Amino acid sequence: GAVVSQHPSRVICKSGTSVKIECRSLDFQATTMFWYRQFPKQSLMLMATSNEGSKATYEQGVEKDKFLINHASLTLSTLTVTSAHPEDSSFYICSASPGTGGGNTIYFGEGSWLTVV
Amino acid sequence: QKEVEQDPGPLSVPEGAIVSLNCTYSNSAFQYFMWYRQYSRKGPELLMYTYSSGNKEDGRFTAQVDKSSKYISLFIRDSQPSDSATYLCAMKPYGGSQGNLIFGKGTKLSVKP
Repeated sequence: GAVVSQHPSRVICKSGTSVKIECRSLDFQATTMFWYRQFPKQSLMLMATSNEGSKATYEQGVEKDKFLINHASLTLSTLTVTSAHPEDSSFYICSASPGTGGGNTIYFGEGSWLTVV
Repeated sequence: QKEVEQDPGPLSVPEGAIVSLNCTYSNSAFQYFMWYRQYSRKGPELLMYTYSSGNKEDGRFTAQVDKSSKYISLFIRDSQPSDSATYLCAMKPYGGSQGNLIFGKGTKLSVKP
């Protein structure tokens, strides 16, 4: 079964509103979680690294004020898309690993489809 | 040149065929190599995980890494319609965190009954 859970799996929102996506590690604690975005027929692009108890680290070109990340516990990270616009419509995926070592297996959530109308 | 190159396909094969999926890369520091399967509108699922060069087999799946050629492959034997999905290669250097994971664009595979 899934070890990383995302919710909601699909959400439609109106332009200008905010949407929150949750990512939970079910069987392990994760001090770090990662958020990706995937456009149709494109690869996964890392948006940010979510660090428990501290600020997230954003990749170049990703607006930190638009994509708010909160990693309040060792099993939960949230991504909030603020003032969403149609161009934010995409597939958002989180991932986590049971450890920090380079050889640890990386698990992905089921993904969240966001459609902004 | 992109760090990881993967033919997007689509690749269509008859049921029972042997499928070969490949990725090339340019960064010689990559040491961990992974293959993920992604069904439509779902998150990636880890299939195979290899460290450094060599082969690894798991059921109908075999992963090969040729670091001298900077080339990795995933073979699927006796392919089934349920194998129809997009297959993503991913890799990262030794000591690299998950944030250093680089993905290919994915190859879309269709197995026809």
